[in-house]
Amino acid sequence: DGGITQSPKYLFRKEGQNVTLSCEQNLNHDAMYWYRQDPGQGLRLIYYSQIVNDFQKGDIAEGYSVSREKKESFPLTVTSAQKNPTAFYLCASSATGNGGWDEQFFGPGTRLTVL
Amino acid sequence: GDSVTQMEGPVTLSEEAFLTINCTYTATGYPSLFWYVQYPGEGLQLLLKATKADDKGSNKGFEATYRKETTSFHLEKGSVQVSDSAVYFCALSEKPGANSKLTFGKGITLSVRP
Repeated sequence: DGGITQSPKYLFRKEGQNVTLSCEQNLNHDAMYWYRQDPGQGLRLIYYSQIVNDFQKGDIAEGYSVSREKKESFPLTVTSAQKNPTAFYLCASSATGNGGWDEQFFGPGTRLTVL
Repeated sequence: GDSVTQMEGPVTLSEEAFLTINCTYTATGYPSLFWYVQYPGEGLQLLLKATKADDKGSNKGFEATYRKETTSFHLEKGSVQVSDSAVYFCALSEKPGANSKLTFGKGITLSVRP
């Protein structure tokens, strides 16, 4: 079945450590996105990529980094520079880079907790 | 910039009650409007959408009409079920283009009791 997978489902990190969240899609979508979800704040866009080897900052990119070396993969690294990294992280993809004009398909999310 | 405002929650209803969740937006252009739903422990999924004024999106008994004059896209359902318990997000996207993105509201939690 086609879809988006995120791993791991739960992730614990010590302060000062970098951690990488995985996102893989087999939908043959060009565009991929990373969102952060905090209680009472909805979803905020971290980074997005409309094509392989290209990506743009979203609204809250500070303390995060991404790569897009393959069409199906868009890993997110939460660096030690991110001051409040504990959150629920959602990856999404869409057929093209036309933003929300294409339906975005979401993965099940990764809950990151900094100890 | 663009923004989406949803009514404050949470909302608790009895099964078969009528549901309205308010959503208003601010946009410089002529956006498309969406409702996404997040069931417990899952990612978001598209519930319905509308791309121009007076369009009505509908799915699974839910409906929302794009009202340009009031910049609103309220979600309604005539008779809710326990299985509708979830978080609902209103969202918009400006015209397609290289930098077109989804802007989400804060979401509202709906709980339906038997």
